[in-house]
Amino acid sequence: EVQLVESGGGLVKPGGSLRLSCAASGLSFSLSNLAWVRQAPGKGLEWVSSITGSSSYIYYADSVKGRFTISRDNAKESLYLQMNSLRADDTAIYYCAIDTYGSRFDDWGQGTLVTVSS
Amino acid sequence: QSVLTQPPSVSGAPGQRVTISCTGSRSNIGAGYDVHWYRQLPETAPKLLIYANNKRPSGVPDRFSGSKSGTSASLAITGLQAEDEAHYYCQSFDSSLRAVFGGGTKLTVL
Repeated sequence: EVQLVESGGGLVKPGGSLRLSCAASGLSFSLSNLAWVRQAPGKGLEWVSSITGSSSYIYYADSVKGRFTISRDNAKESLYLQMNSLRADDTAIYYCAIDTYGSRFDDWGQGTLVTVSS
Repeated sequence: QSVLTQPPSVSGAPGQRVTISCTGSRSNIGAGYDVHWYRQLPETAPKLLIYANNKRPSGVPDRFSGSKSGTSASLAITGLQAEDEAHYYCQSFDSSLRAVFGGGTKLTVL
């Protein structure tokens, strides 16, 4: 059974930084493309970033490009999202997901809440 | 504002059939990219419900079906049950923006 467990969320001031982690199990991690998808309170889903299994290809939504960095450690079977220059509109639940064929999200973690507020 | 357009809400009585539309454009659904649907129960993560327009993952009952035509797609739910009450999101790929989602539809079972 695939398990994705996010951690690292919390309260941070505008302009601050936070690093999210996602620990994976039950999948061929190094062969799996992964993504971060977020959901602002009471709002819909927004794709944030994707990374291929070997980290060869990385993609970002325009809303986070230049501020967020996605990375992974295949030996630790972990996915990361370094978030810098955080803004109030980055407040959301951040989900880790398996990005299948760069097209759909087959499995999701339970999410971690990031709140950007002074 | 979401790239894909869904009605904010739909409703139906138990046992009825409801449909949820998802309208895109020539740069996403109309470009031939697949449409996928997710169901999100309150306070839980989204879960894949329909993939590649009309395929169901293992464990999803055949009461759920999807279709796609032109720049739009639809999710149909037959034999509506109380536990179907949830938010439903469509998702596709856009040639300029990568993965794109609809704004979500709240299904209320009357």
